[in-house]
Amino acid sequence: GENVEQHPSTLSVQEGDSAVIKCTYSDSASNYFPWYKQELGKRPQLIIDIRSNVGEKKDQRIAVTLNKTAKHFSLHITETQPEDSAVYFCAASGPGGGNKLTFGTGTQLKVEL
Amino acid sequence: GAVVSQHPSWVICKSGTSVKIECRSLDFQATTMFWYRQFPKQSLMLMATSNEGSKATYEQGVEKDKFLINHASLTLSTLTVTSAHPEDSSFYICSARSEEQFFGPGTRLTVL
Repeated sequence: GENVEQHPSTLSVQEGDSAVIKCTYSDSASNYFPWYKQELGKRPQLIIDIRSNVGEKKDQRIAVTLNKTAKHFSLHITETQPEDSAVYFCAASGPGGGNKLTFGTGTQLKVEL
Repeated sequence: GAVVSQHPSWVICKSGTSVKIECRSLDFQATTMFWYRQFPKQSLMLMATSNEGSKATYEQGVEKDKFLINHASLTLSTLTVTSAHPEDSSFYICSARSEEQFFGPGTRLTVL
């Protein structure tokens, strides 16, 4: 089955700096890669996603890049703000796994003033 | 985006009792729903895939007789934790898939 690894497990940045979180996946058939933000005790919220036919996608301060050959994808947050502090999860899914999501282990992002 | 509700939001029960958690898709029909379990400071782990009108598909290591799933309609799936024990205490989250997966708000289960 699919295996998703995520790094780093914790990330501390100064307000205004950029944050980058990286994930790798194992199943070359995976074709959908969402990123979720989860605040303590809350549900995961989709913040951006990318499909395998695209190499990069951007939405305001958030961008995701995908390298299918290397089987890795990254989340980039620019101009970080304190409200960006949360746990971020990457995930992967594809037809081989019945389109079910396999999550990474999560990254605790802390944006310091 | 689509709305998925979950009930109850939290429950405390005694060891040995059973607890039922409901997951509803409020504004779309979901032939497939997913049940996840999340322990503190850990990731979401898929427990099972709930299919409307058929048996659920359980992930390896998840006891199907302990975690009963029923998906009786296109908008409702239920997870029953039978004979709950303290180690079952966790955050249970469902999701329903339209074009993307939408998550319910989660149920915090505490077994005393």
